[in-house]
Amino acid sequence: KQEVTQIPAALSVPEGENLVLNCSFTDSAIYNLQWFRQDPGKGLTSLLLIQSSQREQTSGRLNASLDKSSGRSTLYIAASQPGDSATYLCAARNSGYALNFGKGTSLLVTP
Amino acid sequence: GAGVSQSPSNKVTEKGKDVELRCDPISGHTALYWYRQRLGQGLEFLIYFQGNSAPDKSGLPSDRFSAERTGESVSTLTIQRTQQEDSAVYLCASSLDRGHGNTIYFGEGSWLTVV
Repeated sequence: KQEVTQIPAALSVPEGENLVLNCSFTDSAIYNLQWFRQDPGKGLTSLLLIQSSQREQTSGRLNASLDKSSGRSTLYIAASQPGDSATYLCAARNSGYALNFGKGTSLLVTP
Repeated sequence: GAGVSQSPSNKVTEKGKDVELRCDPISGHTALYWYRQRLGQGLEFLIYFQGNSAPDKSGLPSDRFSAERTGESVSTLTIQRTQQEDSAVYLCASSLDRGHGNTIYFGEGSWLTVV
């Protein structure tokens, strides 16, 4: 069974800092890995999807990388802003139908 | 609609009562998923629909839980004889199909409290 772990569980940084969120997974036979953002009391918003054949994806200040062989993905956020404060979830897709989610990293960006 | 719509957004029910949660996926999306998120926990997969059939029901926690989908559109998740441990947010998601390159879009969830 795929196990997805996210470290750290919580992170607080001052505005303007670049930061990296980590995601690891135990079964490297993934089809894709997706990063989501969850705001309090809200659903999930998809940020980036990396297919197994890709190494990275970029959207604005976000860059996600994927290393299947080591079972790792990182989400890089450049020039963080208070509006980036949220919980960030990664999810791995294997051969089944379900996405396997980590428990998330709770990010606080302070002004 | 523009996104995945869920109703009710909040539901408080008494232990032992039945509840129905509704999901309207993005128009044209054939794949539909239900997840549960308990307070402070990660997302748990419940069930997957491709069209109106459910090839994967492996995540349903007990026989008190059931789901159906009609017209390759609306889905309903039913919880019978609710228990306090059923309190959670129930999230619905959809994607164009189950192709691996397809982004999965989530609704804002139905927050269920069993008292």
